[in-house]
Amino acid sequence: GENVEQHPSTLSVQEGDSAVIKCTYSDSASNYFPWYKQELGKRPQLIIDIRSNVGEKKDQRIAVTLNKTAKHFSLHITETQPEDSAVYFCAAPPPRGGGNKLTFGTGTQLKVEL
Amino acid sequence: DAGITQSPRHKVTETGTPVTLRCHQTENHRYMYWYRQDPGHGLRLIHYSYGVKDTDKGEVSDGYSVSRSKTEDFLLTLESATSSQTSVYFCAISGGQSAGGPTEAFFGQGTRLTVV
Repeated sequence: GENVEQHPSTLSVQEGDSAVIKCTYSDSASNYFPWYKQELGKRPQLIIDIRSNVGEKKDQRIAVTLNKTAKHFSLHITETQPEDSAVYFCAAPPPRGGGNKLTFGTGTQLKVEL
Repeated sequence: DAGITQSPRHKVTETGTPVTLRCHQTENHRYMYWYRQDPGHGLRLIHYSYGVKDTDKGEVSDGYSVSRSKTEDFLLTLESATSSQTSVYFCAISGGQSAGGPTEAFFGQGTRLTVV
């Protein structure tokens, strides 16, 4: 199955700075890479995703980049705000079949300090 | 939020007792999943279903069983609960595949299970 590694496990930034979280995956045929945000005590929610036919996708202050050759993808958050503080998870599905049987990274605790 | 609810939301049970968690959806999605969330491990897949009566194991399926007799309900059973199964359990649903590949997975609110 897919193996997903996520770094760093914790990240502390000053408000207004940028934050970058990186994930690597093992199967070169994987074609969908979502990022989920989980606030304390809440459910994980999708914030952005990217498919293997594009290299970058942006949505306001967040962006995801994909490097298929190196088999890694990254989440970029610019102009961080206190409400960005949460745990972020990357994920990848099996390359063939299995629907959305996602394998998740171990998560990054992002803290945005005032 | 997607129409997905989990019950119960919290449960404390004793070691050796059976426990069943319920996931109910109103979206008519094909795929349903059970994950457990533990510190340092992220979300790990226990079992998933790709249709009524069609289920398969995930990476941490030992000690768990599932059933899906209707599209809307996916049950997770711990046959004999152990302390190592103390965790937060999340159900998720998705429509499965689009022309571009997998589609978004929506999560339930979670169930906090404590085995004492």
